[in-house]
Amino acid sequence: ETGVTQSPTHLIKTRGQQVTLRCSSQSGHNTVSWYQQALGQGPQFIFQYYREEENGRGNFPPRFSGLQFPNYSSELNVNALELDDSALYLCATSERGVTYEQYFGPGTRLTVT
Amino acid sequence: TQLLEQSPQFLSIQEGENLTVYCNSSSVFSSLQWYRQEPGEGPVLLVTVVTGGEVKKLKRLTFQFGDARKDSSLHITAAQPGDTGLYLCADRTGNQFYFGTGTSLTVIP
Repeated sequence: ETGVTQSPTHLIKTRGQQVTLRCSSQSGHNTVSWYQQALGQGPQFIFQYYREEENGRGNFPPRFSGLQFPNYSSELNVNALELDDSALYLCATSERGVTYEQYFGPGTRLTVT
Repeated sequence: TQLLEQSPQFLSIQEGENLTVYCNSSSVFSSLQWYRQEPGEGPVLLVTVVTGGEVKKLKRLTFQFGDARKDSSLHITAAQPGDTGLYLCADRTGNQFYFGTGTSLTVIP
């Protein structure tokens, strides 16, 4: 067990709605990355937060946004949900500048109907 | 954009058999990581390889990094049902990780 937790475990939303997913960091890890994993695919990098600032972004539209808090926990917000947003959302925490080894949480399964 | 191709996409074998899965890149890897992901869980880091030609062993798992750092393989000896899962390779470029599509392994008892 990595010590990284995510909530909720499962979520069902309607197209057009907004959703907030949460991630708590493993102790001592100051960097959090968010990934989207569609069924049968590998995780795709959404963005990374370090010291409460966005520190890199993948090929995702602005309706995907995030926050990191002083205790290094994080939120992923998605506005105007689309059917293609249905996926497993993973967060991974790491200690920047050390080994870049990431520790993943169990993910949040989002279904958009 | 880094493109990582993994093969085979699916693999189903009997307990006790050996297997090898592959990860190939369109460009040189910065550093390569292998993960295993079980259903309903996040990926778990198995190993990080950095140097071309590097070989690392983790019990029955052997990881090789190509000399040109554009390919890697994972060999499992005497597979067990507990090895079942999705095996993912990932390359780190800066602070971003690019994942392959994975090899889904099923080990039948």
